[in-house]
Amino acid sequence: IAGITQAPTSQILAAGRRMTLRCTQDMRHNAMYWYRQDLGLGLRLIHYSNTAGTTGKGEVPDGYSVSRANTDDFPLTLASAVPSQTSVYFCASSCVGLAGGPYEQYFGPGTRLTVT
Amino acid sequence: AQSVSQHNHHVILSEAASLELGCNYSYGGTVNLFWYVQYPGQHLQLLLKYFSGDPLVKGIKGFEAEFIKSKFSFNLRKPSVQWSDTAEYFCAVNASEGLTGGGNKLTFGTGTQLKVEL
Repeated sequence: IAGITQAPTSQILAAGRRMTLRCTQDMRHNAMYWYRQDLGLGLRLIHYSNTAGTTGKGEVPDGYSVSRANTDDFPLTLASAVPSQTSVYFCASSCVGLAGGPYEQYFGPGTRLTVT
Repeated sequence: AQSVSQHNHHVILSEAASLELGCNYSYGGTVNLFWYVQYPGQHLQLLLKYFSGDPLVKGIKGFEAEFIKSKFSFNLRKPSVQWSDTAEYFCAVNASEGLTGGGNKLTFGTGTQLKVEL
C-alpha cells in the first residue's frame, strides 16, 4: 500500500505558467486536502474535498483550483503561477464520517515548487 | 474560527533532557487535538491524538500530551529526548463542523523546530 503519492517531487516554474500538482491516494479515504507549508507559517489549508464531486475553500485558496472527479485523485492547479506561490505543497487524506469526524489525516511526501 | 499557537519556535536540548512543547488553541467548543512530527526532508506523521476520554494521551516514540480544557492547552512532553527526535513538531486542532460545514479540516500551529544535540 503506497498511501498517498504526489508528483512531481519538485519543480521550478516560470511565473505566469500553468501547473498541476498531482495527488493520488489508495486508502479509499473520502476526504482530501491540499496544504502549503511556508517557513514560520506552518501548514495552511488551500482547498479540501469531503467527498468525490465536492470541493471547498480553505484558508488560502486564491490562485489555486482543485477538482475531485473520483475518490482517489485530487489535483491542485495553479492557473498562472506567481513567485509568492513558491512553497512546499502537501496533499493529505482522511476518513470523514457522517458526523464529520474526527479522523486523523495522512500526508503525502510533498512537492517543492519554486516559481521564478 | 479556531487558531493554534505554538510559542516555542526553536528549542535546543541535549540528549536525555526532558521536553515540553506548548500548544494553545482558541475555540470554545468541542475540539480534537493532534501532534504531528516532520523529520528532516520527510512528510508529516501523526505522533498522537486526543478525541475524548483520558486527557493524558500517549503516542509513539515515548511522547505524550495532556489536554487541559480550562487552559485551552495540549502540551507535548517526552521525559528523555534522543538525537533522533530532531524534527519539527506541529500542533493541530479540528473543531468539526459536520460534513457539510467543513468536515475534518485541521488548523495547524506554526511549528516548533526541535534540535537535540549529542
